Amino acid sequence: GQNIDQPTEMTATEGAIVQINCTYQTSGFNGLFWYQQHAGEAPTFLSYNVLDGLEEKGRFSSFLSRSKGYSYLLLKELQMKDSASYLCAVAGFQKLVFGTGTRLLVSP
Amino acid sequence: IAGITQAPTSQILAAGRRMTLRCTQDMRHNAMYWYRQDLGLGLRLIHYSNTAGTTGKGEVPDGYSVSRANTDDFPLTLASAVPSQTSVYFCASRQGTSVGNEQFFGPGTRLTVL
Repeated sequence: GQNIDQPTEMTATEGAIVQINCTYQTSGFNGLFWYQQHAGEAPTFLSYNVLDGLEEKGRFSSFLSRSKGYSYLLLKELQMKDSASYLCAVAGFQKLVFGTGTRLLVSP
Repeated sequence: IAGITQAPTSQILAAGRRMTLRCTQDMRHNAMYWYRQDLGLGLRLIHYSNTAGTTGKGEVPDGYSVSRANTDDFPLTLASAVPSQTSVYFCASRQGTSVGNEQFFGPGTRLTVL
């Protein structure tokens, strides 16, 4: 089976940096995804890590440590539009298993 | 059509009724998925299909059935709806055979069973 943990909610200030952590225990691992979901909308893809290390994509970066079962999503220069839920998902064999998501509230 | 569409957008249904949620994609993706999303529980996989003609059970398949007669369509049927099936349902698709390819999600169907 798979167990994925991420914080339920986080708050941050516009212009700041925030790190959203995700820990997982899995019987099979083929990579880890991060998705963004605004309220009332569909999830949209942010990043995919299959090897250890940091992947940077503009203001967003994602890190993976397979040996520790750990990933984080780093958001820099926060903007109000970054207020959303951030979903961590582990890729198993042909399927994704999602965490419950972290709701990020960005305040002025 | 561009991407994935779902219908209806929302529905209120009496318990015991049969309901089919529709999902169509025009990206010629091989794999398609149905998830339900509930507060505090996140996205949970109901059924999936790796290619036309094949389907598989996800984490929460009971009370739901699917079919995949062609590449584009992946309907989800509730044979006899119950209030616990009140949820937001998302259809998704993925290109190719690699689980490392991103999944694209439809806009969702909000279903209320009374």
